[in-house]
Amino acid sequence: QVQLQESGPGLVKPSETLSLTCTVSGASIRRDHWSWIRQPPGKGLEWIGYIYYSGSTNYNPSLKSRVTISVDTSKNQFSLKLNSVTAADTAVYYCARVSVFVGYCSGGSCQYYYMDVWGKGTTVAVSS
Amino acid sequence: DIQMTQSPSSLSASVGDRVTITCRASQSISSYLNWYQQEPGKAPKLLIYAASSLQSGVPSRFSGSGSGTDFTLTISSLQPEDFATYYCQQSYSPPTWTFGQGTKVEIK
Repeated sequence: QVQLQESGPGLVKPSETLSLTCTVSGASIRRDHWSWIRQPPGKGLEWIGYIYYSGSTNYNPSLKSRVTISVDTSKNQFSLKLNSVTAADTAVYYCARVSVFVGYCSGGSCQYYYMDVWGKGTTVAVSS
Repeated sequence: DIQMTQSPSSLSASVGDRVTITCRASQSISSYLNWYQQEPGKAPKLLIYAASSLQSGVPSRFSGSGSGTDFTLTISSLQPEDFATYYCQQSYSPPTWTFGQGTKVEIK
């Protein structure tokens, strides 16, 4: 059974860097894509970005200038760094596995991506 | 960026009711649409992927339909454990995947 667990500081000071790690158990990180998502208090979900085990990444353009997602295959972990944080970055941060379904569509086959295994989430507050 | 708009934002329903939630994309996304359920204080749970494929282990009372810009999540007979918030999410357009704003299903 695949499980993901987020870890990292629960409190970060404004202008500093938020750093979180997601540890994957029950599966090798050397396949699939792996994603970070966040949810501010009382609000909806925001996709932050994803990484492939090879290291290729895709980020939300609204956060791209401040975000780095990396992978450590030796530890079966991937990480999130968000720099220059403000109170607006206060949120529950989730990591998730991205799986793919190959289906038929006009023109041939299509790859449908979806986030099927999620960590429980970790709360990060930005405050001095 | 592709915007996802869900309606309604909230609804009240009774156990046994048929519930329909709509998600509209600001441009065509073919069938690149997923649905998630989130109970209070918990992580989201995948229900439907590729617009209409039921995730393993999800009860068959959940179904998804649609293509292009208009999508629907239907719960055929609402159960007590279904009271939660539901989100649609498009995976058509890297670099940005976007979620709808959510639909909260409450007990009538």
